[in-house]
Amino acid sequence: GQQVMQIPQYQHVQEGEDFTTYCNSSTTLSNIQWYKQRPGGHPVFLIQLVKSGEVKKQKRLTFQFGEAKKNSSLHITATQTTDVGTYFCAGRAGYSTLTFGKGTMLLVSP
Amino acid sequence: ETGVTQTPRHLVMGMTNKKSLKCEQHLGHNAMYWYKQSAKKPLELMFVYSLEERVENNSVPSRFSPECPNSSHLFLHLHTLQPEDSALYLCASSQTSGGSTDTQYFGPGTRLTVL
Repeated sequence: GQQVMQIPQYQHVQEGEDFTTYCNSSTTLSNIQWYKQRPGGHPVFLIQLVKSGEVKKQKRLTFQFGEAKKNSSLHITATQTTDVGTYFCAGRAGYSTLTFGKGTMLLVSP
Repeated sequence: ETGVTQTPRHLVMGMTNKKSLKCEQHLGHNAMYWYKQSAKKPLELMFVYSLEERVENNSVPSRFSPECPNSSHLFLHLHTLQPEDSALYLCASSQTSGGSTDTQYFGPGTRLTVL
């Protein structure tokens, strides 16, 4: 079955440093979504990428979808303590249900 | 966010108890999901319902029994659980179960502890 792998599993940065999490799929995806889960909270949808090579930005967050539509990345510039949480990618092949990666837990020290 | 609600928020039960988790979505969606989230296996998809019909069951033990009486409500009936079933149980909904661009809206979850 479809697998979505995410690295790193965990990252601890100082406030102001950049952060990147990577997502790789075993199959070509029709789209990829990113979710954020704050500590003690539930996953919340951030963004969806559909087109090959697509890049989208949300303030300090930059999302990329690979040319082959099998990988994606989320980059945060100049992290803030409010960025703390677990970031999940979720991929869909065709009209199948979403497959979530295991997530990257981000800790930001002030 | 109050689009997807779950009750109870916390539940402690013994291995011989029977309890039910409830999920309600107020978004007019046609698909609902149960996920299990634990430290070892984040976000395991358990069940998918589309228009009240179960469309996916990911090899979940029979001690977990889902019920979807209508497109707005989803239950997870629990009986004779094991301590390793302790986890956060998340409900989610989306417009459809297979729409190519559907996003999922999660409820706050039920933190279950099995003693």
